[in-house]
Amino acid sequence: EAGVTQFPSHSVIEKGQTVTLRCDPISGHDNLYWYRRVMGKEIKFLLHFVKESKQDESGMPNNRFLAERTGGTYSTLKVQPAELEDSGVYFCASSQDGWGTSTDTQYFGPGTRLTVL
Amino acid sequence: AQRVTQPEKLLSVFKGAPVELKCNYSYSGSPELFWYVQYSRQRLQLLLRHISRESIKGFTADLNKGETSFHLKKPFAQEEDSAMYYCVLGTDKLIFGTGTRLQVFP
Repeated sequence: EAGVTQFPSHSVIEKGQTVTLRCDPISGHDNLYWYRRVMGKEIKFLLHFVKESKQDESGMPNNRFLAERTGGTYSTLKVQPAELEDSGVYFCASSQDGWGTSTDTQYFGPGTRLTVL
Repeated sequence: AQRVTQPEKLLSVFKGAPVELKCNYSYSGSPELFWYVQYSRQRLQLLLRHISRESIKGFTADLNKGETSFHLKKPFAQEEDSAMYYCVLGTDKLIFGTGTRLQVFP
């Protein structure tokens, strides 16, 4: 079974440009999470989808970030316009069920490394 | 504030030596704690969770609520244990520590 996949693996863009990251969760996983790690800092939660609905977006840094999950399958995270401080690794994770259940283990994708010049 | 502290960025040991990766947390509720690991060129994966109270790959971690700690231990390190280890606090989201890189030398 394929795990969580993310595309692209790397992206290099200039400040002010737009970038869209994609995450395909494990098939059947209703819960999808985005995290990011900026240089030298810890991995931080961005948001959580349950199917197509945003359950928690408290970690989104500002309104330059827009996440969608149309149809409750794959998700995209758009950064527009990108700033230098957005550079980092963006991780996606999915889980079968929500927090506090026996099947809430989050499975991570390989990450997308974003570099904003 | 909800926080996880891993004081060591790097821990280097020789094969066969005991290993202890330190983790302290700050959380007012009843914590659920995990250790995640990332081996070279692999993705983050769950190593163990405190609620399971199991040993995975020889690693154990005991939740000490009095000391608010969840240190990861292994009595005899192996070279294949070399990786990045993250202590993670689970609330309604995962809160990560900054990670400790474990290097096990032959």
